[in-house]
Amino acid sequence: GQSLEQPSEVTAVEGAIVQINCTYQTSGFYGLSWYQQHDGGAPTFLSYNALDGLEETGRFSSFLSRSDSYGYLLLQELQMKDSASYFCAVRVSNAGKSTFGDGTTLTVKP
Amino acid sequence: DTGVSQDPRHKITKRGQNVTFRCDPISEHNRLYWYRQTLGQGPEFLTYFQNEAQLEKSRLLSDRFSAERPKGSFSTLEIQRTEQGDSAMYLCASSLGTSGTSTDTQYFGPGTRLTVL
Repeated sequence: GQSLEQPSEVTAVEGAIVQINCTYQTSGFYGLSWYQQHDGGAPTFLSYNALDGLEETGRFSSFLSRSDSYGYLLLQELQMKDSASYFCAVRVSNAGKSTFGDGTTLTVKP
Repeated sequence: DTGVSQDPRHKITKRGQNVTFRCDPISEHNRLYWYRQTLGQGPEFLTYFQNEAQLEKSRLLSDRFSAERPKGSFSTLEIQRTEQGDSAMYLCASSLGTSGTSTDTQYFGPGTRLTVL
């Protein structure tokens, strides 16, 4: 089977740093993606890691350790607009099929 | 706006009726995916296409669900004899179709919210 685990909720204040963890158990692994979804909106792509290490894109960074089946999304200098759900997703096939976690709801408080 | 469009955005139907949703992907994208999402959960894979070929269908998908992508462009998802448990957001996504460990970013449409009464 396929399973991805991430915390259901995280709360932080504006300007802070928050880390959202994701552990996975899947039958195939090609890479780990992160998506952001605002209430009522569609998931939007944030980052992708196929190899171990840290990828940085502006205020967002994503990390992968394939040996630990673990990754995280790091959000820095939090802004109110970062309040949303964040999903990790494992690309499980060469053809791009992905399995998603149940999401982490991030609430940013003033 | 990602460039992926879905129609309708909302659909309310009575149990037992058939419904059809349409997805128009980004024009140069070869792959098209259908997902279902319920409140508090992540998108759940239903099926996907490489051009016009349907390559995989989730085992969770009953025979009441069928999808087509006749010319490798837009796709339709039909649900026959709808049940209350079918109520969900149906998301479509498309990607270029790169293989291996490259990103092959999926761009999601706004979704069709189905309510079965």
